[in-house]
Order: sequence, then structure tokens, then C-alpha cells
Amino acid sequence: ETGVTQTPRHLVMGMTNKKSLKCEQHLGHNAMYWYKQSAKKPLELMFVYNFKEQTENNSVPSRFSPECPNSSHLFLHLHTLQPEDSALYLCASSQVRSINEAFFGQGTRLTVV
Amino acid sequence: GEDVEQSLFLSVREGDSSVINCTYTDSSSTYLYWYKQEPGAGLQLLTYIFSNMDMKQDQRLTVLLNKKDKHLSLRIADTQTGDSAIYFCAESSISSGSARQLTFGSGTQLTVLP
Repeated sequence: ETGVTQTPRHLVMGMTNKKSLKCEQHLGHNAMYWYKQSAKKPLELMFVYNFKEQTENNSVPSRFSPECPNSSHLFLHLHTLQPEDSALYLCASSQVRSINEAFFGQGTRLTVV
Repeated sequence: GEDVEQSLFLSVREGDSSVINCTYTDSSSTYLYWYKQEPGAGLQLLTYIFSNMDMKQDQRLTVLLNKKDKHLSLRIADTQTGDSAIYFCAESSISSGSARQLTFGSGTQLTVLP
């Protein structure tokens, strides 16, 4: 248990569905991240929230929409996804300007059919 | 942009030492990290090293940093079957006022053979 909780752990959705991934951290961190992990590829940083403000959007398609209502919660809203979006989506949190590491959740395994 | 590279696979015999290598391109990297990912789990930090250090040892783990060559390695002594996992190298730079963004390699799948 790292202090970062992601739900659901597994999700299967059709290309016309709308779903949301949830991430919650109880570590008092003030930065949260979404990463995408696909087989045999580097971890891809998708979004960064720093003090609830989005500071990075690494050319992520608009069918992925993040939301950070407070420093403890992060969502990733999904709509009209493609099969190639199937991957493990990892949430992480960290303390800004700290030398300490990012703490990761266990991820949501997403399958788009 | 930043780039971190690792070989994809490594197999060792139980009891032997494992050495996982990583190269990076960002010369302004301040911290370099090794993360471990076990099946079905997220990433967990194993160790990190400051860029002004050459070596860091923590029990069975030894991290070596060659800043000139931008080369990082992780040595696991007396490798056990429980060490089988994917190991990610990552780097980051301090950016004042900004959240730390980690750039990860592809990960090295370590398989420990009995």
C-alpha cells in the first residue's frame, strides 16, 4: 500500500462508452500525475497537476479529459476511446520541490473493445 | 527532449549478481531513480541518487552513476527469485515552482532462474 489508491483496478469499455478513472492520495502531496503504460514502451506522462492547476498536457488526445477537484483527488474521464488506448493507467503523487519520489497507485488496467 | 534508454530483458541465476544499465540524455538531471514494478502492481521506488554522487549502496543494491557518460546502473547482489520484476530507470530535473516530472525508460524485465 503506497498511499495512492486507484479505482477501478480493471475496466473494459466499448468505444462509445464514457467512463472515469479515479485516483486518491492520502500523503499530503500537492502534485498528481497520470501516466500511461503500454507493453514494451516507456512510461508516458499524460498530465500533471501542481497545486490543483494543470501544468502539463503532453499532447494527449481530447478523448482523455483530466479533472483535479482538490489536491487529494484526480480523475481521468474517458470517452470515445480507441482499441489502441488499451493500457495500464497509473496515477502518481509527489511533493513539489521535494527530493522525495513519486508514489504510484497500482493502476487501472483498461481494455477498449 | 529527454530520453532514457534501457535494455528490455535480463536473465540471471539465483544467487548471482544482476546489473541493469541505463543511459539518459538530459545533462541537467538532478536526481536519478530506480523503480521496481511487480506483476499487477504500480511502480515502487527502490533507490535514488543525486547527480553529484558517484555511488550509493543500500543493502543488496548498489547504484553507480557516471555523469560524464550519462550512464546509470543498478547492481543487485545475491539475486533472489523475489527480485524478478520490471526495473525502471528514471530521471528528473528540479524546475522551480513546477511539479517534478519523471522521464522513464522502457523498463528492464529481470528474470531470476533457479
